[in-house]
Order: sequence, then C-alpha cells, then structure tokens
Amino acid sequence: TAGITQAPTSQILAAGRSMTLRCTQDMRHNAMYWYRQDLGLGLRLIHYSNTAGTTGKGEVPDGYSVSRANTDDFPLTLASAVPSQTSVYFCASSPGTSGTDTQYFGPGTRLTVL
Amino acid sequence: GQNIDQPTEMTATEGAIVQINCTYQTSGFNGLFWYQQHAGEAPTFLSYNVLDGLEEKGRFSSFLSRSKGYSYLLLKELQMKDSASYLCAVRDSNYQLIWGAGTKLIIKP
Repeated sequence: TAGITQAPTSQILAAGRSMTLRCTQDMRHNAMYWYRQDLGLGLRLIHYSNTAGTTGKGEVPDGYSVSRANTDDFPLTLASAVPSQTSVYFCASSPGTSGTDTQYFGPGTRLTVL
Repeated sequence: GQNIDQPTEMTATEGAIVQINCTYQTSGFNGLFWYQQHAGEAPTFLSYNVLDGLEEKGRFSSFLSRSKGYSYLLLKELQMKDSASYLCAVRDSNYQLIWGAGTKLIIKP
C-alpha cells in the first residue's frame, strides 16, 4: 500500500510563477490536509478538506488554493509564488476528524522560491 | 491565542530514559498526539491521549494532565535510532491539530 504520495519531491521556482503540488492517498480517507513546516516553527495548517467536495482555510491560507474533486487527490496551488513560501510542504490524511483519528503524512515537497 | 510549548533540544545517553514535556493552551481540547520525525522525513504517529493518565506502548509512554495543560513523552532504553524530533499536537475545539515546534532529541553513545 502506497499510503500518501506527493510530487514533486523538491522544486526550485522563480518568484511570480505558479505551481501545483500534488497529493494522492489510497487509504480512502475522508479528510486531507496541507501543512507547511519551517525551521523553528510547528507545522502550520494551510488548507484542509473534511470530505470530497469541501475545503476550508487553515491558519496560513493566503497565497494558496486547493480543490478536492474526489476522495484520493488534494492538490495545492501557488498562484504567484513569493520567497516567503519557501518551505517544506506536507500533505496528510485521516479517516475522519474526530476522536482518535490519526493523521498520516506524505513524504513532503521541499520548495524553494527565488 | 493558542500555544504549544516544548523544549527546543534535549540530549540523552544511549540506554537511558528521557522525558520530553509539552504544555498547551488551546481553545478546547479533543486529544493530544505525539509524533516522531526523523530529519528529512515525514512525521509518524506515536501516541494519543484524551483522558488523564499514562498510556504505555513498548519503550514509549505518554502522560496527560488536562487540568494542568501538560503532557510528557517518556522514552526508555534509548537507542541511537531514537534520535529525531518529537512533535506534540493538540486537537482543538474545531478538531484541527495545533502543533508545537518540536523537540530535537540527540542520543549520544
């Protein structure tokens, strides 16, 4: 079982360019999440989706957009990248959003915006 | 505001015991999680506490006191492979996880 896959593994992007980070899970989890992780800071939630067809804003949503057309895929788009979006991006999924539902993480995408 | 506090770094000796503390102030509480993250890798789930007390899982145990807003992760019989960052996260009233910055644990022979 692959679990959660993310692509690309790493990317260098020129400021002002757009980019989509891909995330796919094969666990049939209802909920999916996008986090960014920066040195010295905890994981910060960018956007989330509790079920296919719905999305919500997290703690740091500005400059990012998401869609959830089906259960498996949850792409994250940067419309016009800025250097402050340089970070490691993790996609995660969980069976649901309550009780003991644990979040499982993909391997991450390391993004550098120059 | 919401806040999760953990020590930035700890050092311990192989074979010893180490306790990593986590204090939290969040809007609501629906459980506390501990994750392990090796350098350059994704976080992986270690433990979950929602009621006060100690949860034991092999060499790892996690404790919760909701009245004190406090948890700790106890690692016994430390091995070199336990060198990693340990992340504390609290599920708030919106059922979202609020994350601490993590504690980097360095194990010395």
